[in-house]
Amino acid sequence: GIQVEQSPPDLILQEGANSTLRCNFSDSVNNLQWFHQNPWGQLINLFYIPSGTKQNGRLSATTVATERYSLLYISSSQTTDSGVYFCAVDLDSNYQLIWGAGTKLIIKP
Amino acid sequence: DAGITQSPRHKVTETGTPVTLRCHQTENHRYMYWYRQDPGHGLRLIHYSYGVKDTDKGEVSDGYSVSRSKTEDFLLTLESATSSQTSVYFCAISKDRVGYEQYFGPGTRLTVT
Repeated sequence: GIQVEQSPPDLILQEGANSTLRCNFSDSVNNLQWFHQNPWGQLINLFYIPSGTKQNGRLSATTVATERYSLLYISSSQTTDSGVYFCAVDLDSNYQLIWGAGTKLIIKP
Repeated sequence: DAGITQSPRHKVTETGTPVTLRCHQTENHRYMYWYRQDPGHGLRLIHYSYGVKDTDKGEVSDGYSVSRSKTEDFLLTLESATSSQTSVYFCAISKDRVGYEQYFGPGTRLTVT
């Protein structure tokens, strides 16, 4: 089945730093989403981005579908950015969101 | 935020007892999903529904059943809970299958003792 790999698994940064999170996937996908799970467990939809680039405030995402990867950029990190960032993909042939293991981000004040 | 609620939010139950978790949406979305989240596994799909009385299995459906008698409600039942079903359960919704985002409820923490 499709493999979804996220890197790095853990990231610790000082407030104000920039970061890049990566999601690699092993097959063509229909859909790719980025989520943030905050320290209270809530899953928040960040981007729906099967291809191209999107920006929302300090966050932006780029998916290069032909090369099977997506990047999530966080600029000027704040402590509220802490949590786990997941990417999830689904295939053309069988609709199930397949999730990566996540990147745990800790932003220190 | 999408209008999704889950109940109960926390539950402790004993092995062998039946448990039903409820997901309620106010968005009139066609698709509803149940996931479980365990350390080291991300989220895994249990069952999903693509309409009233239309459901299908996900990756980890053994030991679970679902029902959807109304657009807004999707129930997940553990017929006889086991300790391996201790997990956090998330409900999600999407307007349709392709091209639409999934939105998640707040989660239910279930502990089976």
